[in-house]
Formats: sequence, C-alpha cells, structure tokens
Amino acid sequence: DAGVIQSPRHEVTEMGQEVTLRCKPISGHNSLFWYRQTMMRGLELLIYFNNNVPIDDSGMPEDRFSAKMPNASFSTLKIQPSEPRDSAVYFCASSPGDRGREETQYFGPGTRLLVL
Amino acid sequence: QQPVQSPQAVILREGEDAVINCSSSKALYSVHWYRQKHGEAPVFLMILLKGGEQKGHDKISASFNEKKQQSSLYLTASQLSYSGTYFCGTPWNTGKLIFGQGTTLQVKP
Repeated sequence: DAGVIQSPRHEVTEMGQEVTLRCKPISGHNSLFWYRQTMMRGLELLIYFNNNVPIDDSGMPEDRFSAKMPNASFSTLKIQPSEPRDSAVYFCASSPGDRGREETQYFGPGTRLLVL
Repeated sequence: QQPVQSPQAVILREGEDAVINCSSSKALYSVHWYRQKHGEAPVFLMILLKGGEQKGHDKISASFNEKKQQSSLYLTASQLSYSGTYFCGTPWNTGKLIFGQGTTLQVKP
C-alpha cells in the first residue's frame, strides 16, 4: 500500500495568498484527519471526517481555514488568505474508521508550509 | 482535554532505560503511543485497550492503569534509533484522538 499521500511536500507563499493542501488517504479507510504541528502548540487536530462527512471541526482556527472531502480518496485543506502564523507542518492521517477504541491512525509525510 | 506527558524531555546514553508517563483527567478507555522522528511523520507504536494490559514492541513496552487514568512507556537498553518525540493519544467519543504535548527523547552514543 502506498500509505497516505500528501501534496505538496513543501509550500512557500506570501501573506494573503491562498494555499491548498491535498491528501489521499489509504484505500479503504473511512476516517480522515487534518493536523497542524508547531513547536509552540504541538500536534493539534483541525478537523476529522468519517465517510466523507465532517464530524468534528472544533479545531479549525478560524474562517480562513476550510476543509473538504468530496470523495473517499481525496481531501483538501484550504487557507485563504494565508498569514505568517499559519506556518507549520500540516499532517493528514487516515484510519479504518470502524474499529472503535482500536483505531490506529496512519500519518502522511506532511506538508511544510511557510508563509512570508 | 489533552493528556499530560512527563517528562518533557529526556537525554540518555545508549543502553540506559527511560520511562515516559501519560496521565489524563478524564476516564481512559484506551491509550495509543506514537513516535515521531525529526522531520518525519508520527508512527504508531502500540495501543493498550484495557486496564492492566502490558505490551511490548522490540525493547519498548507499555502499561495501562485504567484506575489511575495513566499509561507508561518503558524504553529498555535504549538505542540511537529510539531518539525522537513520543506522543500518547487518548480517544474521545467522537472517534478522534487527543495527543499529549510529547516527550522528546535523545539517545547519545
């Protein structure tokens, strides 16, 4: 299996620009998670989908952030407009979605975002 | 609420042992442990599902004390490859994991 695929791996943009991060979960996995990692705040869950439906978006920082999952094999996280404080590593993870407490999450390689 | 890990950082020499603790103010139904090497993604180590359970993975093992709402990760005879940040994760009823702040382990030759 190819694992969770994220693109791009690195993104450098200027403040005010739109940024779109992409994720392809492991085939057959029904749950998808977007995390943000910074030194200051650690590993934060932004949003969680199950069967393509957003279940918990309480971690989405503000209206500038939006996430979609149009089908079982693709999700996007969009930041518009981007700000320097959005600079972080963004991870996508997926899990089978049907194993309750035994759910194991598989992380993608991450996208390193730098907003200048 | 986020589980609390201790210590925040550990520096060891090869061959030494370490213990990383994870505690929660909420009832724990399972505990997940992940390791993240520098510049890489977190990788699943093990999951403990019930009180009193202990598991091992190479020379890394863990225990889960459900009553005390805590788990401990034991690294025995540490190797250079053990260096990284260790996270515990506790599930919420919506299906998500809440991760602790992480414990950074550095193993020196």
